[in-house]
Amino acid sequence: DAGVTQSPTHLIKTRGQQVTLRCSPKSGHDTVSWYQQALGQGPQFIFQYYEEEERQRGNFPDRFSGHQFPNYSSELNVNALLLGDSALYLCASSPLGGHEYFGPGTRLTVT
Amino acid sequence: AQSVTQLGSHVSVSEGALVLLRCNYSSSVPPYLFWYVQYPNQGLQLLLKYTSAATLVKGINGFEAEFKKSETSFHLTKPSAHMSDAAEYFCAVTPLGGDTPLVFGKGTRLSVIA
Repeated sequence: DAGVTQSPTHLIKTRGQQVTLRCSPKSGHDTVSWYQQALGQGPQFIFQYYEEEERQRGNFPDRFSGHQFPNYSSELNVNALLLGDSALYLCASSPLGGHEYFGPGTRLTVT
Repeated sequence: AQSVTQLGSHVSVSEGALVLLRCNYSSSVPPYLFWYVQYPNQGLQLLLKYTSAATLVKGINGFEAEFKKSETSFHLTKPSAHMSDAAEYFCAVTPLGGDTPLVFGKGTRLSVIA
């Protein structure tokens, strides 16, 4: 079992650009959540996807959007990047209502 | 709203000494509580979780935590620190049933001195 995988590992973008991060859930999991972890902070919940729909959302602007595919994999999109969007983005998968398993994260740097 | 407070952003212990990482929560209902560990450049790994069963929870790598409702605490302990325990530790909470997002504390960095 490969566990939760994320790509890319690192990337650097410029302010105003758009970025897409990808996540493949652990085998057997149908729910994917995304978290943002700024430097020196705990992870903050962005949103959760189940059955290809956004099921719950945290306090993040509409610039943050996502998608879940029929194979349960997911994408996180961020438009009009700001310097403050620099962070580690963590994907977590679970059975609905079950314990979340985290991936290794994608380190995004906005310059 | 639920929140988690981790006392001490950095804790340093000697190898073989007791590890105590503090976590207090606020919740209007009995919560589920979690401790995660994060090694450098890695994601989060679950150490242990409290889900309203036994108040003393044993986890991986010799860690345990005790849920104390009267103190709204869920402190993490390990009798004897090992060099490999050096990492960032996060306490998290979610309402009973676990069907809401995790709310994390800011984390405590544990250093182990030889």
